[in-house]
Amino acid sequence: EAGVAQSPRYKIIEKRQSVAFWCNPISGHATLYWYQQILGQGPKLLIQFQNNGVVDDSQLPKDRFSAERLKGVDSTLKIQPAKLEDSAVYLCASSSSRNQAKQYFGPGTRLTVT
Amino acid sequence: AQSVTQPDIHITVSEGASLELRCNYSYGATPYLFWYVQSPGQGLQLLLKYFSGDTLVQGIKGFEAEFKRSQSSFNLRKPSVHWSDAAEYFCAVGASNNFNKFYFGSGTKLNVKP
Repeated sequence: EAGVAQSPRYKIIEKRQSVAFWCNPISGHATLYWYQQILGQGPKLLIQFQNNGVVDDSQLPKDRFSAERLKGVDSTLKIQPAKLEDSAVYLCASSSSRNQAKQYFGPGTRLTVT
Repeated sequence: AQSVTQPDIHITVSEGASLELRCNYSYGATPYLFWYVQSPGQGLQLLLKYFSGDTLVQGIKGFEAEFKRSQSSFNLRKPSVHWSDAAEYFCAVGASNNFNKFYFGSGTKLNVKP
């Protein structure tokens, strides 16, 4: 089966600019996650979707970050405006209803904010 | 609150030697525990998980981990390391009320000497 797809793989922007990341989960996976992985740290969950509804966004900085999964399939994560501390790898993951504990991760998008 | 500590940032072992990566967690109830591996430029891959039952769990690629409740530990082991095992390893704990919400440790980077 095809894995989790993410694009772009790399992005460099200046602070105060906006950026968007796209994720296409494994077909049929109802749950989708966005993680932020800062260099030298483990991934931190930003937001979790179940189909097109938000399950948990408690760690999403809502003043600048937004995410949507309108049709319950692919998802977009946006940052506006970006700050230097947003430099990180943004990972998307998905899991199926039958085995929710097994998350499949995409390759990530490496964001550099200058 | 849940937390995960991986005390070793870097570990170097010789090919063929045994390996143990340490993981300590903090959680009030019975935890769900995971080990993931991340190769450069790739997403995280699940090595093994513990939910309940036998405290010694077997995973892929010859890895195993042992859950020790008294020590709040879930250390990862491999009897003979291969050069292809060089990667970064992350331990994670899942919340019991949303067990697919993971808290990751900061990772241990493994180098393998020929």
